[in-house]
Amino acid sequence: GQSLEQPSEVTAVEGAIVQINCTYQTSGFYGLSWYQQHDGGAPTFLSYNGLDGLEETGRFSSFLSRSDSYGYLLLQELQMKDSASYFCAVGSNYQLIWGAGTKLIIKP
Amino acid sequence: DGGITQSPKYLFRKEGQNVTLSCEQNLNHDAMYWYRQDPGQGLRLIYYSQIVNDFQKGDIAEGYSVSREKKESFPLTVTSAQKNPTAFYLCASSVAQKKQFFGPGTRLTVL
Repeated sequence: GQSLEQPSEVTAVEGAIVQINCTYQTSGFYGLSWYQQHDGGAPTFLSYNGLDGLEETGRFSSFLSRSDSYGYLLLQELQMKDSASYFCAVGSNYQLIWGAGTKLIIKP
Repeated sequence: DGGITQSPKYLFRKEGQNVTLSCEQNLNHDAMYWYRQDPGQGLRLIYYSQIVNDFQKGDIAEGYSVSREKKESFPLTVTSAQKNPTAFYLCASSVAQKKQFFGPGTRLTVL
């Protein structure tokens, strides 16, 4: 079967750095994407890794290791507005396979 | 402004009724998707369409139907055969698999 594993919940302090891991097992692979979803809202695209290595977009970075079937999202200088759920998703056979999401709780 | 619209925002259905959720996009994207999200869960794919007049079942298509007569529109019908339809429904579109754009969603509740 196809599956993505990510922690259900992560807690961090405002201003700190947090890493959300994602491991995947899929029949095909067309990149690893990350999405953010605030309570009651729709997911919004954060980043994409098609090749191994680190991609940086402002305070957010994402990493991929295809040989390990592993990636992570790194959030720096955490702000209260970063409190949300974060989903990893793998492209496979013209669709995205989604993880169950990681709820990020930020404490002041 | 380009984007995806979904209507209605909230929808209430009586048992045994069919209801249709609207999804329209003006991004000129070929691919469109319907997802279902239950509380505290990830997204599950219901149907997707790569091109007009063609669509494929996702993981949980039973009890749902779609049409794709126009590039801009991908309506989803929740039929009476769907026994547990209460959920948050999200429509998305994309140019390539790596980035999907989402509409604001429709919350469906069965009374």
